[in-house]
Amino acid sequence: TQLLEQSPQFLSIQEGENLTVYCNSSSVFSSLQWYRQEPGEGPVLLVTVVTGGEVKKLKRLTFQFGDARKDSSLHITAAQPGDTGLYLCAGADQGAQKLVFGQGTRLTINP
Amino acid sequence: DTGVSQDPRHKITKRGQNVTFRCDPISEHNRLYWYRQTLGQGPEFLTYFQNEAQLEKSRLLSDRFSAERPKGSFSTLEIQRTEQGDSAMYLCASSFKPLSEQYFGPGTRLTVT
Repeated sequence: TQLLEQSPQFLSIQEGENLTVYCNSSSVFSSLQWYRQEPGEGPVLLVTVVTGGEVKKLKRLTFQFGDARKDSSLHITAAQPGDTGLYLCAGADQGAQKLVFGQGTRLTINP
Repeated sequence: DTGVSQDPRHKITKRGQNVTFRCDPISEHNRLYWYRQTLGQGPEFLTYFQNEAQLEKSRLLSDRFSAERPKGSFSTLEIQRTEQGDSAMYLCASSFKPLSEQYFGPGTRLTVT
């Protein structure tokens, strides 16, 4: 069974600080997606990374896919209260044709 | 609105009752997925369809659960003889092709009392 481990599980920081969230696995994924989820809502796709070593930027968010396609990171620069939410990584398992999700990182940005 | 929709958004039921949820995917998407999410966890895969064919079912999907997508458009997920352990958020997602980006609906929050 493929597993994705996210760390930290909880993170509470002050507005303006930088942070990094990690998503690790012992398995290789064909691609990896990052989602953000608000309470009571479904996950919203932020980005998909496909190539080992790929880096994608979305405003203040930087996503990186590991060279071996087993891990990924999300870095937020100058965090804002609007960044608060549950961040989920999900690996695409080509053989099984489905997404495997990490348990999520609950991020709170305090004003 | 052309996103994924789910109905109802909330359902409270008594243990032992049957419930049915509906998902309407993005119209041009032929793949439809069901996930279950409990508090503090990421979504767990339940089953998925390509058009009307159900291609995979998780071991999480006991024989009390059944899903259909009769015309390859909307899908229903039925839980028979609900148990308190079934309380969760049930999420539906759709995608255009295998392993492409999945777009999620708002979910149905089920509470079994």
